[in-house]
Amino acid sequence: GAVVSQHPSWVICKSGTSVKIECRSLDFQATTMFWYRQFPKQSLMLMATSNEGSKATYEQGVEKDKFLINHASLTLSTLTVTSAHPEDSSFYICSAPPGGRTYEQYFGPGTRLTVT
Amino acid sequence: RKEVEQDPGPFNVPEGATVAFNCTYSNSASQSFFWYRQDCRKEPKLLMSVYSSGNEDGRFTAQLNRASQYISLLIRDSKLSDSATYLCVVRVGNDMRFGAGTRLTVKP
Repeated sequence: GAVVSQHPSWVICKSGTSVKIECRSLDFQATTMFWYRQFPKQSLMLMATSNEGSKATYEQGVEKDKFLINHASLTLSTLTVTSAHPEDSSFYICSAPPGGRTYEQYFGPGTRLTVT
Repeated sequence: RKEVEQDPGPFNVPEGATVAFNCTYSNSASQSFFWYRQDCRKEPKLLMSVYSSGNEDGRFTAQLNRASQYISLLIRDSKLSDSATYLCVVRVGNDMRFGAGTRLTVKP
């Protein structure tokens, strides 16, 4: 089956630093990838849609200058949390639909970010 | 009102029990419906899609009522390994909207 990887799986950083999270589709090409954030005991919330070769589409309330998304190739999207603050601590998950079938999402294993 | 609402849970049931989860969605333009399972600190994984005619996969039965905008998941003969959070997911256009999830704990 389709596989999506994320790196790193866990990161601790100091307040004010930037953190880059990678999302890769390992055995298929993805022109679109999705970035979610999940706080403890809460639902996944879509942050943005990453589009290969064009700008990402951000959900309302998500700061595009704080959460930089780059979809560099058909198998890689990156999310950079700039000037991280403790309130950015969360579980970040990416997903990708193989073959462009958006109703079929494969999720990465997630990245747990802790900002101290 | 949230787009996708689920029973808050938690549900604590003994092994072998039958348990049902409910979910309602607010957007009548919703096109596809799913149940995902999420283990603690892990990514969600697709459990099953939900079709209007209802569908079954082993011990799991999903139902959809478009008129009432209601989705259900029934788990029969629950196993310890069924312990997880179950997410109701609705697709609207290219967007997937997640419920907050219902936590299930199956005890020996």
